[in-house]
Amino acid sequence: DGGITQSPKYLFRKEGQNVTLSCEQNLNHDAMYWYRQDPGQGLRLIYYSQIVNDFQKGDIAEGYSVSREKKESFPLTVTSAQKNPTAFYLCASSIGLAGFSSYNEQFFGPGTRLTVL
Amino acid sequence: RKEVEQDPGPFNVPEGATVAFNCTYSNSASQSFFWYRQDCRKEPKLLMSVYSSGNEDGRFTAQLNRASQYISLLIRDSKLSDSATYLCVVILNAGGTSYGKLTFGQGTILTVHP
Repeated sequence: DGGITQSPKYLFRKEGQNVTLSCEQNLNHDAMYWYRQDPGQGLRLIYYSQIVNDFQKGDIAEGYSVSREKKESFPLTVTSAQKNPTAFYLCASSIGLAGFSSYNEQFFGPGTRLTVL
Repeated sequence: RKEVEQDPGPFNVPEGATVAFNCTYSNSASQSFFWYRQDCRKEPKLLMSVYSSGNEDGRFTAQLNRASQYISLLIRDSKLSDSATYLCVVILNAGGTSYGKLTFGQGTILTVHP
């Protein structure tokens, strides 16, 4: 079955530690995205990648880093510089970048809930 | 003013009711529009795209009003399983190799009760 997987589902971290969230897709999609969702708010874009070895900052990139060494994988590192990291993190992918097609649906992974203790 | 605004609700309706949500957007250059559904503590999933002429998918009807800059979602004959958060999504134009910015509303909570 094709899809997007994120691990772990729940993650607890001590303040001051870096942590990496995994995102893998086998949909053969070029574009991948990371969002965070806070209670009562919409999704906010952290980083996105159009192609391997390329990625761009989204609206709230400070305190985060990403890599795109393989088409299938787009891990997100939440660094100690992120002041309020507790949130629900969602990874998504699409055939191409959003905006180029009215049918460019983004498929989401099941998410990772990060809690900083 | 927020780029995309939704009435957060919650909307509590009985089974069989008709319910409508609106979503307003601030940028007139917005190009594409969608409704996503998000179940509690789950990921969002595409419900339907919104076309200029309006479109229907079973009990769901989506409409776009460019002049007033809003999209709407109408659900007829509500089912218990329709209970979820409904997110509107607006995409700005993309140019060249740039990303078409995709903006989510904060979501409208719907609860359908027996």
